[in-house]
Amino acid sequence: GAGVSQTPSNKVTEKGKYVELRCDPISGHTALYWYRQSLGQGPEFLIYFQGTGAADDSGLPNDRFFAVRPEGSVSTLKIQRTERGDSAVYLCASSRLPGLAGGSTDTQYFGPGTRLTVL
Amino acid sequence: QQQVKQSPQSLIVQKGGISIINCAYENTAFDYFPWYQQFPGKGPALLIAIRPDVSEKKEGRFTISFNKSAKQFSLHIMDSQPGDSATYFCAASRGWEYGNKLVFGAGTILRVKS
Repeated sequence: GAGVSQTPSNKVTEKGKYVELRCDPISGHTALYWYRQSLGQGPEFLIYFQGTGAADDSGLPNDRFFAVRPEGSVSTLKIQRTERGDSAVYLCASSRLPGLAGGSTDTQYFGPGTRLTVL
Repeated sequence: QQQVKQSPQSLIVQKGGISIINCAYENTAFDYFPWYQQFPGKGPALLIAIRPDVSEKKEGRFTISFNKSAKQFSLHIMDSQPGDSATYFCAASRGWEYGNKLVFGAGTILRVKS
């Protein structure tokens, strides 16, 4: 089946502009994550959705960043008043939730990312 | 505070050799330790994962060794191939009670010379 898709693959913007990055998770995956990967670094957690609600947004760097997932599927990461330091690859991942009987941690499947460049 | 420390930053191995990448963690509440492989322009892909109730897990040419008392775990790639050349990340999470969010190491760039 289809994996996690992200659009656009590349986004170049000017400092101060607003951008939206989109993530289409794997069908049926309730959990959705956004991570940010700076050059030469590992991904860093931004926000986690369980269904439609943001269950954990502790990784968002400041109030210029926010994300939505209104119907529990597609998610959009929104960045206001972009700064040069926001330049990075933004990764989305999705996974199933454990079953009602409890269960082990599940695999996160990553999309190819959106490379954001702020000039 | 870097919760997961990974070494080395880069590694060159001859074809057929063994690649070894090490990670150390600080938070004893972590209970899931995956390794991800990332090729240029692609997202990370799960390679193999382990939970702390076992000391070793093997899948094909890939083995995780886990030392709970030392808070360390490592990835061994046996019979390394040029196609294994990629960036490898270790990670850790505290499980679903905390959203299963992953904390990643800084990555190791592996190059396998043919």
